[in-house]
Amino acid sequence: EAGVVQSPRYKIIEKKQPVAFWCNPISGHNTLYWYLQNLGQGPELLIRYENEEAVDDSQLPKDRFSAERLKGVDSTLKIQPAELGDSAVYLCASSFSGGDNEQFFGPGTRLTVL
Amino acid sequence: QKEVEQDPGPLSVPEGAIVSLNCTYSNSAFQYFMWYRQYSRKGPELLMYTYSSGNKEDGRFTAQVDKSSKYISLFIRDSQPSDSATYLCAMRYGNKLVFGAGTILRVKS
Repeated sequence: EAGVVQSPRYKIIEKKQPVAFWCNPISGHNTLYWYLQNLGQGPELLIRYENEEAVDDSQLPKDRFSAERLKGVDSTLKIQPAELGDSAVYLCASSFSGGDNEQFFGPGTRLTVL
Repeated sequence: QKEVEQDPGPLSVPEGAIVSLNCTYSNSAFQYFMWYRQYSRKGPELLMYTYSSGNKEDGRFTAQVDKSSKYISLFIRDSQPSDSATYLCAMRYGNKLVFGAGTILRVKS
């Protein structure tokens, strides 16, 4: 069974440029998560989707970050414009619906903002 | 104060050693306690999962939870070089999953 797929794996951009990350969850998983992992820290939730609905986006910095999950499968996370402090790993995870279900993580996208 | 505090490490141990990794938490609402392992350039993967106080064993790994002290531990017996990774404790209530900062473990052969 294929795991969570993320692309690109690495991205280097200049500050003030836009950037987008893509995630394809495990087939059948209705719940999709985007996490931010800073160096030396654990993942922190940015947004959670149940199917195509964002049900928890309280930690998403909405002035520059946006996300979408059209059709309730793939998801895209965008930053516009990027700032130096956005350099981090962006992890996507998916699970079956329901809080008790295991979250499976993708390998992440490592973003470097110069 | 963070909801979950994890001993920072890093830890460097010889092969075969017993490793102890520890976390404390402040939120009594946490119901589920987990340990994730994260290899370099990879996403976290679930290693152990428990919801009650006491011990849970899985091979060389033992997860221990003490809810009265708000303290959880992961013990690794007969550690192997392949155990070298970052270990993240995580705690959940409802849909909210909160991670510790992680402890880097290096097992030397």
